[in-house]
Amino acid sequence: KAGVTQTPRYLIKTRGQQVTLSCSPISGHRSVSWYQQTPGQGLQFLFEYFSETQRNKGNFPGRFSGRQFSNSRSEMNVSTLELGDSALYLCASSQSGQGAYGYTFGSGTRLTVV
Amino acid sequence: AQSVSQHNHHVILSEAASLELGCNYSYGGTVNLFWYVQYPGQHLQLLLKYFSGDPLVKGIKGFEAEFIKSKFSFNLRKPSVQWSDTAEYFCAVNAGEGYSTLTFGKGTMLLVSP
Repeated sequence: KAGVTQTPRYLIKTRGQQVTLSCSPISGHRSVSWYQQTPGQGLQFLFEYFSETQRNKGNFPGRFSGRQFSNSRSEMNVSTLELGDSALYLCASSQSGQGAYGYTFGSGTRLTVV
Repeated sequence: AQSVSQHNHHVILSEAASLELGCNYSYGGTVNLFWYVQYPGQHLQLLLKYFSGDPLVKGIKGFEAEFIKSKFSFNLRKPSVQWSDTAEYFCAVNAGEGYSTLTFGKGTMLLVSP
């Protein structure tokens, strides 16, 4: 079955702009999590959605938001971009969001803010 | 909140050498534990996971890990590394309320010289 699909793969934005990233989970998976990966901070949890509801949120400012649709696809939005938002944004898909079922990651969206 | 500590940021080995990457976590309750690998330019892939049962877990590509509850450790091992094992390795824990997030270590970059 198809894996986790993230679009776009690469983005270049200017400071102050906003950006929307998309994630399509594996068919049948209802949980989608988002992570930010940077060389300095490593992988940090942003938020997790299950059945269109945000269940958990990491320690990121309110400029970072997300949503999940009825088909489990998820989007994350970053408003008022800052240089420090440059990172690889990863989406992970899971049947239920519980570890025993495992998490499958997408290839990520590389965001560069200039 | 849980945290994950990986002992080495960089490891350099020659082919056929044995590998052990350390991982310790801080959480007093039940946990699910994971090792992920990220090959250059590729997405995160699951190497192995532990959620219950035999504390010695075998994964793909000859990797294994041992969960030692008393030491809060989940070290990754491979008896003989290959050049193709050059990658970044991440230990992660899934624990706490809802079990729906992964907390990652900072990662260990493994370089295997031929």
